[in-house]
Amino acid sequence: DTGVSQNPRHKITKRGQNVTFRCDPISEHNRLYWYRQTLGQGPEFLTYFQNEAQLEKSRLLSDRFSAERPKGSFSTLEIQRTEQGDSAMYLCASSLDESRPYGYTFGSGTRLTVV
Amino acid sequence: DQQVKQNSPSLSVQEGRISILNCDYTNSMFDYFLWYKKYPAEGPTFLISISSIKDKNEDGRFTVFLNKSAKHLSLHIVPSQPGDSAVYFCAASGTNAGKSTFGDGTTLTVKP
Repeated sequence: DTGVSQNPRHKITKRGQNVTFRCDPISEHNRLYWYRQTLGQGPEFLTYFQNEAQLEKSRLLSDRFSAERPKGSFSTLEIQRTEQGDSAMYLCASSLDESRPYGYTFGSGTRLTVV
Repeated sequence: DQQVKQNSPSLSVQEGRISILNCDYTNSMFDYFLWYKKYPAEGPTFLISISSIKDKNEDGRFTVFLNKSAKHLSLHIVPSQPGDSAVYFCAASGTNAGKSTFGDGTTLTVKP
């Protein structure tokens, strides 16, 4: 297994454009999480899935953000009408239901720059 | 309101000495605590965790201590090695084991 894979690694977009990121979790992991990290801060929770069900979404997440995990495998995070404040590292992580002692496995992230 | 706080943005120690990283939390509903290590251009990597029913967990050079009454946990690294130089994040989760809440990290530098 190659771990959690995120694509693209970097994305530069103009303000107002839509962007979509993809995350491929570890195959046997049924939980998938999206976090956002800005410089000097820790990862901030966005949303998470158990299989294909989206179980929780942060109240900080505006309606411009949407995430899907259609078949309980890979996930996509879309940001519509991007704003400069959306510039951040977007991290995906996965885990098993009962893997609390072992934490998440994170991908290397997608760095978004909105110009 | 930041529920998990790491009050020291940075820490520098000499190789071979002990590194102590601290973390405070405010939400008494947290029952699982984790430490992650992050190198530049990589995602965080899980290091060690502790359940709220314990006060200590050890894994090789890494030990996490939990003081529930003080809502405080610490990570001890003994002996510290230059390869330990990284950003360390403290995280906490509640009973539903869904999301984790992270602190802002402490940058550890271990000098040879």
